[in-house]
Amino acid sequence: QKEVEQDPGPLSVPEGAIVSLNCTYSNSAFQYFMWYRQYSRKGPELLMYTYSSGNKEDGRFTAQVDKSSKYISLFIRDSQPSDSATYLCAMMANDYKLSFGAGTTVTVRA
Amino acid sequence: GAVVSQHPSRVICKSGTSVKIECRSLDFQATTMFWYRQFPKQSLMLMATSNEGSKATYEQGVEKDKFLINHASLTLSTLTVTSAHPEDSSFYICSARDTGGGIETQYFGPGTRLLVL
Repeated sequence: QKEVEQDPGPLSVPEGAIVSLNCTYSNSAFQYFMWYRQYSRKGPELLMYTYSSGNKEDGRFTAQVDKSSKYISLFIRDSQPSDSATYLCAMMANDYKLSFGAGTTVTVRA
Repeated sequence: GAVVSQHPSRVICKSGTSVKIECRSLDFQATTMFWYRQFPKQSLMLMATSNEGSKATYEQGVEKDKFLINHASLTLSTLTVTSAHPEDSSFYICSARDTGGGIETQYFGPGTRLLVL
């Protein structure tokens, strides 16, 4: 069993829809949770980071963490074609090494 | 967000030569940087952890004599692929750990695409 599970998709939504992404994890030592967006042939871009259970909002992005269920989510409101990318959840414990999900490929249709 | 650069962005070399890739944190100091490689349609694979002023820590299965890492300053880490072979062709990405302002996260560089002929 992988430490971090993420459905690779692909996920296709119409422009303006809400994109819902999630990951589950098994390691209780994970303390830091991040979401990255990666376009083809580019390095990952940090979208959101959070350290505690609850919601965190930044513009069109909302990150949720539920440590009791070992479940994290990312919501993208009013999705745009430019949001089409691969989204990676990542988390780390106090060794500061990132453990990644497999990545979900998202396509937003114009 | 913070910016991490990599140079070069793309390199083509002959088999047997060495290639150096630089990773710089442009607007913050990074005592720790990480090096990854990524194959097409796969997630990132951690190769090594680079600590400023000390030896790098390599993940299991990564040859430290093959992939030389130097972290000479708080803003620069280098990865040298020695005696490169075609199987070393890959996308190499670095990240830098940012702990400024009480946060704990990592920012990634844009990646370096290596092709060994």
